Amino acid sequence: KQEVTQIPAALSVPEGENLVLNCSFTDSAIYNLQWFRQDPGKGLTSLLLIQSSQREQTSGRLNASLDKSSGRSTLYIAASQPGDSATYLCAVRGRDAGKSTFGDGTTLTVKP
Amino acid sequence: DAGITQSPRHKVTETGTPVTLRCHQTENHRYMYWYRQDPGHGLRLIHYSYGVKDTDKGEVSDGYSVSRSKTEDFLLTLESATSSQTSVYFCAISPGQGGGGELFFGEGSRLTVL
Repeated sequence: KQEVTQIPAALSVPEGENLVLNCSFTDSAIYNLQWFRQDPGKGLTSLLLIQSSQREQTSGRLNASLDKSSGRSTLYIAASQPGDSATYLCAVRGRDAGKSTFGDGTTLTVKP
Repeated sequence: DAGITQSPRHKVTETGTPVTLRCHQTENHRYMYWYRQDPGHGLRLIHYSYGVKDTDKGEVSDGYSVSRSKTEDFLLTLESATSSQTSVYFCAISPGQGGGGELFFGEGSRLTVL
């Protein structure tokens, strides 16, 4: 059974800092990995999708990497802003296209 | 905007009553999903559908049933709601034929069972 872990559970940084969020998974036979952002009381917003054949994806100040062999993904946020404050979740899609396994998320607070 | 609408957005009900949550999509995607989100458990898959009348169980399907009679609608039913089913329920869709594409989520339905 796939297990997804996100460490740390919470992170507080000053504005402008570059930061890295971590996601690890136990079964490397994945189809893709997706990073989401969730604001309090809201749904999940897709940030980046990395296919199993890819090593990284970039969107604006966000860069996500994938290392299947070690079962790890990182989300790099450059020049953090208070508006980046949210919970960030990663989800791993297995070979059964119907099922994704989610981590519990990292709650990020960016202080002005 | 992934064109996903969930209804109702908020519901309070009594233990033992039936509840149906509706997910409506405007893009005719084949794959649709129901998740629940709870503190300490993250998001867990309840059921998913890969076409009209084609559904399968997820990780936490006990106590839930689903139906998909039209491409655009995926219904989640709690036949007899229990307090353990108090949660936030999210519908998601995945474009593409194989279901391996990007997941897009609705805004969620908050259910409280008293």
